Amino acid sequence: GNSVTQMEGPVTLSEEAFLTINCTYTATGYPSLFWYVQYPGEGLQLLLKATKADDKGSNKGFEATYRKETTSFHLEKGSVQVSDSAVYFCALSPAGAGSYQLTFGKGTKLSVIP
Amino acid sequence: GAVVSQHPSWVICKSGTSVKIECRSLDFQATTMFWYRQFPKQSLMLMATSNEGSKATYEQGVEKDKFLINHASLTLSTLTVTSAHPEDSSFYICSAASREQYFGPGTRLTVT
Repeated sequence: GNSVTQMEGPVTLSEEAFLTINCTYTATGYPSLFWYVQYPGEGLQLLLKATKADDKGSNKGFEATYRKETTSFHLEKGSVQVSDSAVYFCALSPAGAGSYQLTFGKGTKLSVIP
Repeated sequence: GAVVSQHPSWVICKSGTSVKIECRSLDFQATTMFWYRQFPKQSLMLMATSNEGSKATYEQGVEKDKFLINHASLTLSTLTVTSAHPEDSSFYICSAASREQYFGPGTRLTVT
């Protein structure tokens, strides 16, 4: 079956540091890949997505590239801010399912300190 | 836009009682709503998918008689945990779908 593995947290960074959160997946075919973010007290929000190999999703300074050869979708940001403190979830859905059949990773908590 | 609310945000109940959690899409209509359960340091696990006006589809291993789901309108779905036990304590998250899933903030259930 489908599965998503993302790096264990928590991750603590200083403001303006570089962020990488690793995510790898197991799935047949070409799933769609997503990063969701959950700020304290709020629901999950879609941060970015990619639907085919070599696509790069980007939003709010975050980027992730769909790497079929390594089955990865690592999240990166060049300079994090305190406001980026949240829990980040990597997820996939089967090809053609949009975001209707999501399989999530365990989430990675990021804390950014001034 | 695309706001989903859950009520209550947290609830404590005694073992053996039932508790109802509401999920509402505030500014859009959702023909499909999903219910997830999240354990500490674990991923979100899909419990069931509900379509307005029809019976929910439960994932394997989820007791449909224990977790009653009602999706009576295009903006409201409810999850009732019947005869709750301490092992039902968890974080329950709903989502409502139009073109994609929009998630509620979650409900923390503690059964004592």
